[in-house]
Amino acid sequence: DTAVSQTPKYLVTQMGNDKSIKCEQNLGHDTMYWYKQDSKKFLKIMFSYNNKELIINETVPNRFSPKSPDKAHLNLHINSLELGDSAVYFCASSQEGQGAKNTEAFFGQGTRLTVV
Amino acid sequence: ILNVEQSPQSLHVQEGDSTNFTCSFPSSNFYALHWYRWETAKSPEALFVMTLNGDEKKKGRISATLNTKEGYSYLYIKGSQPEDSATYLCARLIWGYQKVTFGTGTKLQVIP
Repeated sequence: DTAVSQTPKYLVTQMGNDKSIKCEQNLGHDTMYWYKQDSKKFLKIMFSYNNKELIINETVPNRFSPKSPDKAHLNLHINSLELGDSAVYFCASSQEGQGAKNTEAFFGQGTRLTVV
Repeated sequence: ILNVEQSPQSLHVQEGDSTNFTCSFPSSNFYALHWYRWETAKSPEALFVMTLNGDEKKKGRISATLNTKEGYSYLYIKGSQPEDSATYLCARLIWGYQKVTFGTGTKLQVIP
């Protein structure tokens, strides 16, 4: 029973296409995130979102947009894909509002996006 | 220190050796520090959440300490085993939960 699940696991697409990656969590968490693992294997936060606000990392191009149909889902839409978008994208969730001790993130298994 | 830094970047140890590595971070506006274990082809899994200066956490052979005043945390592994091989990430949270910054990780390889 996967806590945070992403689909697809692998995505190969052509430049210029628009694609989405889905993320679902069944932990009842109120905050979800998207991370990008860059070419140097670093994890960089792209977005964090709860029912109150969306926080966007200002370095993320506006071709990337998160969509949250409900509290358990945060999908990542990418328009006009570029070669440099190739990376592994991780979704995560955590529970806020219950003190610093409960802030650890639970990650999905990652989606490897390859733009050709 | 402006960013979250981890050292060393990679580490090879013999099975049975004990080892430790460092996470350094800006001490201002500190809220919490996380340690994650990230095995190849898997996703990061939380090891510890540390919030108070002087915190010490332990899980089996792995332990961690925290100094929020000087901005560092140590992760210790006692009697390393091959299954400990992974990348160990730390992440600093500041007030305002969305402001989380990951370190670059320490890649540990335990040689049987």
